[in-house]
Amino acid sequence: RKEVEQDPGPFNVPEGATVAFNCTYSNSASQSFFWYRQDCRKEPKLLMSVYSSGNEDGRFTAQLNRASQYISLLIRDSKLSDSATYLCVVPSGTYKYIFGTGTRLKVLA
Amino acid sequence: EPEVTQTPSHQVTQMGQEVILRCVPISNHLYFYWYRQILGQKVEFLVSFYNNEISEKSEIFDDQFSVERPDGSNFTLKIRSTKLEDSAMYFCARGDRGETQYFGPGTRLLVL
Repeated sequence: RKEVEQDPGPFNVPEGATVAFNCTYSNSASQSFFWYRQDCRKEPKLLMSVYSSGNEDGRFTAQLNRASQYISLLIRDSKLSDSATYLCVVPSGTYKYIFGTGTRLKVLA
Repeated sequence: EPEVTQTPSHQVTQMGQEVILRCVPISNHLYFYWYRQILGQKVEFLVSFYNNEISEKSEIFDDQFSVERPDGSNFTLKIRSTKLEDSAMYFCARGDRGETQYFGPGTRLLVL
């Protein structure tokens, strides 16, 4: 299994739709997880952190399943501005980040 | 407001030339990181820097790379003799309590 694995997409969804992304990780000792958002040719920006079973922030919900070693990100009521690449990140070692390849989301009008 | 600033935003250089990329944190932090992202690929860890020392480096971070914090503020990444495959976006990040990382806007390096 790759260290951090994501479906690259793209996911094309209409405005208002609910969309979910999954991310699997290989290191069962990992304690914290992050979702970052990256717009084209821009830096990753923190979206959510996940330390226990899950986290919710407005339309965004992150869930952690330690037994199956995956993290999910759910976006409700998608907006055009949600179009971006969503990066799953798992810290390793001295807090270096291991990134997934990212999942591209395109929200259509 | 960005957590860190990076200069230059873009750099074009000839193969074999030395480049220095700079990162300036907005406030004092102990943890700093460099990552790179080749176009169309994932973000890759290069090196972590804690308390003014390298704490971890990846296989990518070979003898051609070095990091410094020359004046206690700026944080630099030097590539001694650039190769075509060094063309990428280079991101500096600062750590927050050693976990959450905040990224600068990046330097786009093009090696010709």
